Amino acid sequence: LAKTTQPISMDSYEGQEVNITCSHNNIATNDYITWYQQFPSQGPRFIIQGYKTKVTNEVASLFIPADRKSSTLSLPRVSLSDTAVYYCLVASNSGYSTLTFGKGTMLLVSP
Amino acid sequence: EPEVTQTPSHQVTQMGQEVILRCVPISNHLYFYWYRQILGQKVEFLVSFYNNEISEKSEIFDDQFSVERPDGSNFTLKIRSTKLEDSAMYFCASREDHNLANEQFFGPGTRLTVL
Repeated sequence: LAKTTQPISMDSYEGQEVNITCSHNNIATNDYITWYQQFPSQGPRFIIQGYKTKVTNEVASLFIPADRKSSTLSLPRVSLSDTAVYYCLVASNSGYSTLTFGKGTMLLVSP
Repeated sequence: EPEVTQTPSHQVTQMGQEVILRCVPISNHLYFYWYRQILGQKVEFLVSFYNNEISEKSEIFDDQFSVERPDGSNFTLKIRSTKLEDSAMYFCASREDHNLANEQFFGPGTRLTVL
């Protein structure tokens, strides 16, 4: 199981772009990189997933370099409501796929 | 938009009592999960369920725990004899497809308090 490392916390201000980087040095060939968001007292919510290069959806972008040993979640123009914990997960995108959560990155967005 | 629902939102019980936590996964989903999160700690996997049987379970999921899909909609987690350390948020999750394994939809959780 690939271990992930991400900052414990980050601070930002409304309207800024936030980039959260995750390292996963021993990612396997079949592994995908997935990011979840969790608000206090709520269940995690899937944000985005990618295998390589760049993925973009209506919420975020995910940048994955060619060696796939790291990834960066980019949140454009954050608002106060983006204050949450963000988890980077690495797992095979098939089978029963139990998710292994780390401690995540606590993002605090201030006015 | 379809969502996973869980009941109750908060359950208070005495140590040694049995509790059943209920979940209604999204209707066309095939894979079901339970996770828990002790206050201030990581989300931890408990068990996965597919085709009416447990497919994987963690070390946490010991003989005190069981899961069941008693009908076509509900998915339950039973804790037979609760301990103080079972106090946590319990999240149910489901997913649709074999090829979308990492996109799981989580419910709002049940906060279990064992006194």
